[in-house]
Amino acid sequence: LAKTTQPISMDSYEGQEVNITCSHNNIATNDYITWYQQFPSQGPRFIIQGYKTKVTNEVASLFIPADRKSSTLSLPRVSLSDTAVYYCLVGSYNQGGKLIFGQGTELSVKP
Amino acid sequence: DAEITQSPRHKITETGRQVTLACHQTWNHNNMFWYRQDLGHGLRLIHYSYGVQDTNKGEVSDGYSVSRSNTEDLPLTLESAASSQTSVYFCASSGAAREKVADTQYFGPGTRLTVL
Repeated sequence: LAKTTQPISMDSYEGQEVNITCSHNNIATNDYITWYQQFPSQGPRFIIQGYKTKVTNEVASLFIPADRKSSTLSLPRVSLSDTAVYYCLVGSYNQGGKLIFGQGTELSVKP
Repeated sequence: DAEITQSPRHKITETGRQVTLACHQTWNHNNMFWYRQDLGHGLRLIHYSYGVQDTNKGEVSDGYSVSRSNTEDLPLTLESAASSQTSVYFCASSGAAREKVADTQYFGPGTRLTVL
């Protein structure tokens, strides 16, 4: 299973765009990239998933370059309520739905 | 609305006691998972199940067991609680086919377990 590396923490201010980059140099052909968000005292929550290029939903965008060795989660115009830990996960159809979590990025949004 | 619940939300027990944490989901999902979360380790997979009567060991299964007698429930048992098992425990479920990557895993609110 591919290992992921992401910054331990990031600071931002309300209204700014936040980009969190995840490195996954050993990503396999069948691997997808998934991001989860976790608020204090809650379980993680699925944000977005992609395979290549760009994916956008109502919450975030996910940018994946052609070599797929990294990915960037983009949160537009963050608010205080976006303060959370963000996890980047890489996994394939062959691992039976298991998720391998790294340490995540703790995002702190300030007023 | 469908949901996934865990009980109790908080539990304090003593070393050596048997403890069972409950997880119940109404999504009718085949797949259920147990994780533990500790500072500095993120979430680690303990056990998982792809359906009734199916259970599998995860990354940190020693000292834990699960059983799956129906679709809705996957209780986690600590056979003889140890202080090293003090942690926050999360249950999750997904509806993805067994051989597929998890579409989305829906997590419960967690159980904070303290072993004294």
